[in-house]
Amino acid sequence: NAGVMQNPRHLVRRRGQEARLRCSPMKGHSHVYWYRQLPEEGLKFMVYLQKENIIDESGMPKERFSAEFPKEGPSILRIQQVVRGDSAAYFCASSRFEQPQETQYFGPGTRLLVL
Amino acid sequence: KQEVTQIPAALSVPEGENLVLNCSFTDSAIYNLQWFRQDPGKGLTSLLLIQSSQREQTSGRLNASLDKSSGRSTLYIAASQPGDSATYLCAVKSGNNRLAFGKGNQVVVIP
Repeated sequence: NAGVMQNPRHLVRRRGQEARLRCSPMKGHSHVYWYRQLPEEGLKFMVYLQKENIIDESGMPKERFSAEFPKEGPSILRIQQVVRGDSAAYFCASSRFEQPQETQYFGPGTRLLVL
Repeated sequence: KQEVTQIPAALSVPEGENLVLNCSFTDSAIYNLQWFRQDPGKGLTSLLLIQSSQREQTSGRLNASLDKSSGRSTLYIAASQPGDSATYLCAVKSGNNRLAFGKGNQVVVIP
């Protein structure tokens, strides 16, 4: 049973370009969470999705950021018109159920560098 | 809003000493608390998960305690080894199903 997979592992973009980060949850998991780790900061929650639904996006910036988790395929975190401040490690986690006692399993992260 | 603090931010210990890492949180209404390890440029490895009804969890040389009422957890690593050098993250889960992380304890074990 493969763990949470994220790709690409490293992504370099110039200011103004778009960044697309992909997350494939563990097999049998239908809940996905995205977190961001800025340099010298702790991980911060961004968004929580179930298949085809955004459950909680309160941690995601209102502009330029969007997330989806389609019925088929990976979850996508999309950042439009990237700026240098978007440089960070983006981690995806998944869980099988919604119950609060459930463990979230983390992927290896995507490290985004904006030049 | 849940705030998680980890003290000390960084520490160095000689090999063989025991490590004590502290985590505090402001809202005691949590479902569970989890300790992770993060190596430089790497992802998160889950070490121990303590449900709110539990007081401690043990795995090998690692022991984590939880005092929910006072909003504290401690991670003990016995007989530290150079391979234990990493950043240790504490995360709590509250009612909104999201994890709130501390900034981490950066540990260096000196051979």
